[in-house]
Amino acid sequence: AQKVTQAQTEISVVEKEDVTLDCVYETRDTTYYLFWYKQPPSGELVFLIRRNSFDEQNEISGRYSWNFQKSTSSFNFTITASQVVDSAVYFCALSERYGGSQGNLIFGKGTKLSVKP
Amino acid sequence: DSGVTQTPKHLITATGQRVTLRCSPRSGDLSVYWYQQSLDQGLQFLIQYYNGEERAKGNILERFSAQQFPDLHSELNLSSLELGDSALYFCASSREGQSSYEQYFGPGTRLTVT
Repeated sequence: AQKVTQAQTEISVVEKEDVTLDCVYETRDTTYYLFWYKQPPSGELVFLIRRNSFDEQNEISGRYSWNFQKSTSSFNFTITASQVVDSAVYFCALSERYGGSQGNLIFGKGTKLSVKP
Repeated sequence: DSGVTQTPKHLITATGQRVTLRCSPRSGDLSVYWYQQSLDQGLQFLIQYYNGEERAKGNILERFSAQQFPDLHSELNLSSLELGDSALYFCASSREGQSSYEQYFGPGTRLTVT
């Protein structure tokens, strides 16, 4: 069955520290997509990145980077030089091409990141 | 701003009542999804519509129903409300209905059942 696990419930760092948010997924599908969303205190869900199962290249966007490793079924998210504005709950999600979810997002429980000044 | 709008932002109602949540997708998006976010269940998929037709169902209760209209806006109807239905309800839209397209979320409707 499909599943997304974010083992870190809460992380607290001091500004300018680097922080990595872990995401492990389970799926039997060979074609699937992985996503990260950010939910700031205001409550909306903000799309950050989508990665398909055939593209294992790491991606960097400013202070954000993502490490996708199929061998360990992980899609980790690193924030470099964290800032107070990064404080939010971050969700990892999975969407399968042919499996049970058929395009709908299966979310992890989220990791609450607190960045202190 | 994702371009997805949801109304109302907050809703307070009593047990046993019925409410309707409304969602307008981003311009050009054909698919609408509804999700429920609660403290105990997390973010859970409820139902998906694509171009007016139901495409997939998730953990949606029989007391809940939805539809997508010809102008592509969608409504989620919740009836015989219970305390446990209190949650944040999100609508999301995507260009197509397949898994490869990212979903953009609206600001959510916070429902409180008293």
